[in-house]
Amino acid sequence: NAGVMQNPRHLVRRRGQEARLRCSPMKGHSHVYWYRQLPEEGLKFMVYLQKENIIDESGMPKERFSAEFPKEGPSILRIQQVVRGDSAAYFCASSRPGNPQETQYFGPGTRLLVL
Amino acid sequence: AQSVSQHNHHVILSEAASLELGCNYSYGGTVNLFWYVQYPGQHLQLLLKYFSGDPLVKGIKGFEAEFIKSKFSFNLRKPSVQWSDTAEYFCAVNFEDSNYQLIWGAGTKLIIKP
Repeated sequence: NAGVMQNPRHLVRRRGQEARLRCSPMKGHSHVYWYRQLPEEGLKFMVYLQKENIIDESGMPKERFSAEFPKEGPSILRIQQVVRGDSAAYFCASSRPGNPQETQYFGPGTRLLVL
Repeated sequence: AQSVSQHNHHVILSEAASLELGCNYSYGGTVNLFWYVQYPGQHLQLLLKYFSGDPLVKGIKGFEAEFIKSKFSFNLRKPSVQWSDTAEYFCAVNFEDSNYQLIWGAGTKLIIKP
């Protein structure tokens, strides 16, 4: 009963490098959500994707951040030219297709540290 | 803008004490309500949820929460905590006009003294 998987669990990057975070949803789930958690804060919605479609990216910073969920393979959250302020925990969640209010199940998160 | 407030950022209790963690939200429309828990080193797990029906919701591990619409609240309770309940607890709300985004409280870190 594999849950949502994220890798890497920890990622260290220097300023200006790229960070790629991967998320494999639960079996049978075709909706993926990315959230960011800054220290001492709650999670903040970033983007909602279905297979090959970005449904809502209203929470994504306008520059340097992008997300995809291809037909095959995991969802990828990509951060280009990382800055120290990008240091955070990034959580992926997935849900079943159909009712958009289906419960979201979370992965363990990727902790990004930008030096 | 919709928001979710958790009143206590840190709570320290002794084993067998009763627990109540507050959660309030700012929205008068239809909501779905969730409590998630994150044990040290682990991922977020769903404790319980409320979509409709009986406002007193039972979750896993002896937790329950009560939805009080007039107070815009969804407080989490447990009559007798255990050391293993040490974790961070998050309240999240799914608002009617944003039917897939979860809006999160800042979390409450709960420490249970053995």
